[in-house]
Amino acid sequence: EPEVTQTPSHQVTQMGQEVILRCVPISNHLYFYWYRQILGQKVEFLVSFYNNEISEKSEIFDDQFSVERPDGSNFTLKIRSTKLEDSAMYFCASRDISYEQYFGPGTRLTVT
Amino acid sequence: KNEVEQSPQNLTAQEGEFITINCSYSVGISALHWLQQHPGGGIVSLFMLSSGKKKHGRLIATINIQEKHSSLHITASHPRDSAVYICAVPGAGSYQLTFGKGTKLSVIP
Repeated sequence: EPEVTQTPSHQVTQMGQEVILRCVPISNHLYFYWYRQILGQKVEFLVSFYNNEISEKSEIFDDQFSVERPDGSNFTLKIRSTKLEDSAMYFCASRDISYEQYFGPGTRLTVT
Repeated sequence: KNEVEQSPQNLTAQEGEFITINCSYSVGISALHWLQQHPGGGIVSLFMLSSGKKKHGRLIATINIQEKHSSLHITASHPRDSAVYICAVPGAGSYQLTFGKGTKLSVIP
């Protein structure tokens, strides 16, 4: 069964460093999402992406964040200058024209 | 924005018990998701439903669109069902999901 994959599974970085989280959505899906979950809190929407542009973003998704689909298969989330409060689990999801979103296993980001 | 409330927050059950987890939301929706999150953190989609009932193995999900309420049932619960169960709904006119806080289920042998 097709699945969404994410790399790395765990990323440790120092405050102020740039990180790129990578996702490979299901191949025929057209809509892509990033969510995050701070430890002990609920999952929150960050951004959605369709047709090579952002379609929706939350107030969390500020200028430090960017998304890209560089090569037609990968979908990346970049955090330009990480802060301690960016430590969280980041989930990628994708869907086709139906409503059902398929989630990746997540990347645990630890900012020290 | 859709508000999502789940109950209970924590649930401990004996193996074999019938489990019910509830989800209420504030804004009419196109479809509701039930998700499972294991201790390692990964999220698995269990169901997406827009009406009626769906069954997969020992899991049953129901939704009442008029009452803005959904339930997830687990029959003959097993310790491997121990996880956090999360309800998620799209916003009005949007596909971005709003998540409940989750129900932490522990099934004791």
